[in-house]
Amino acid sequence: EAQVTQNPRYLITVTGKKLTVTCSQNMNHEYMSWYRQDPGLGLRQIYYSMNVEVTDKGDVPEGYKVSRKEKRNFPLILESPSPNQTSLYFCASSPIRDREKLFFGSGTQLSVL
Amino acid sequence: AQSVAQPEDQVKVAEGNPLTVKCTYSVSGNPYLFWYVQYPNRGLQFLLKYITGDNLVKGSYGFEAEFNKSQTSFHLKKPSALVSDSALYFCAVRDPNTGFQKLVFGTGTRLLVSP
Repeated sequence: EAQVTQNPRYLITVTGKKLTVTCSQNMNHEYMSWYRQDPGLGLRQIYYSMNVEVTDKGDVPEGYKVSRKEKRNFPLILESPSPNQTSLYFCASSPIRDREKLFFGSGTQLSVL
Repeated sequence: AQSVAQPEDQVKVAEGNPLTVKCTYSVSGNPYLFWYVQYPNRGLQFLLKYITGDNLVKGSYGFEAEFNKSQTSFHLKKPSALVSDSALYFCAVRDPNTGFQKLVFGTGTRLLVSP
């Protein structure tokens, strides 16, 4: 089954404790992206990647890192989480040939205490 | 910079009635427009897109959207709502002049369909 898999589904952590949210897609998509969803603000793009070893900042990249060492994986790293990073996070991917048809993961609800 | 507005936080409609979820956009060039739907505890799902051509675009689950250039709108419609259509709907826009990565989402409209 074609899908984007995010883990974990829920995560509670404390300020300053490094964490990684994993994202993997099995559709051989070139494009991958991370979004955060906050009430009243919709989805905002954090980082995106056009292909392996090619990443760039979105609209709200501060406090986040990403890497794209393999085509299927695009982890989101929070080196020192803060409470304002409490949010619902989504990973998405799409093929270059149909770039706007994004496939989303089920989301990761992160709470930073 | 491109932007999209969804003026209604919530839309309520009775099952069997037609529904409309509104979206207006702002871009410098010709827009690429999209609708996504988010069911509870799920990621967003692609519904439909407008790139060029016929102003009425048909998508998944019986939804359609009408592009109106003069009103800069791209409203989502369905002739007969189902209770299962209850979800959060997002409009999105891309200005092709600003590159592929810049897909901007609206704040979402919650659709509630009552039995």
